[in-house]
Amino acid sequence: DTAVSQTPKYLVTQMGNDKSIKCEQNLGHDTMYWYKQDSKKFLKIMFSYNNKELIINETVPNRFSPKSPDKAHLNLHINSLELGDSAVYFCASSQDPALGTQYFGPGTRLLVL
Amino acid sequence: SQQGEEDPQALSIQEGENATMNCSYKTSINNLQWYRQNSGRGLVHLILIRSNEREKHSGRLRVTLDTSKKSSSLLITASRAADTASYFCATGETSGSRLTFGEGTQLTVNP
Repeated sequence: DTAVSQTPKYLVTQMGNDKSIKCEQNLGHDTMYWYKQDSKKFLKIMFSYNNKELIINETVPNRFSPKSPDKAHLNLHINSLELGDSAVYFCASSQDPALGTQYFGPGTRLLVL
Repeated sequence: SQQGEEDPQALSIQEGENATMNCSYKTSINNLQWYRQNSGRGLVHLILIRSNEREKHSGRLRVTLDTSKKSSSLLITASRAADTASYFCATGETSGSRLTFGEGTQLTVNP
């Protein structure tokens, strides 16, 4: 069984479009995260939710909006996509928001044309 | 600024050799973790070492932590071609509720 899953795996879209990436974890974890990994493999945290409550909100454009309908899901909606949004987006989860082991999804490769 | 800095950025060795990767960080930490990322995949947790520990082993992995120097090393012994991947250190800071990842070391193990 997949622990942390993301859909879609690949996303190719035009500038200006709105898109969503979905994430689900079946580990029973309380905390979920979104990371962005750029072409140099630099991994930066974007958001974190603990029990559906936003606990980390890094300096990302407000075109990015996370939504957590329940503890097992954390979706990422992106409005007005820009070329610079092209990256790999990873969802992750952990039981301990204060620094436990994180379990990563397979990533969503977003290409904005 | 990025918490963790890793060196080398890239490392190429022959199968059977040992690989050592280093990570330096700047602030106080609760723990330090190492992750592996195979090409086109998500990160996989390898090992966690707490700030009050100095060394930890897991299979062919050996991690050391020197909090006075704010540095850690990951040693992979008897490397295999399947160890080819990017390796990231991640620090859990005492002041925050997040992990901050280093820039990674790309390890290539040649058969």
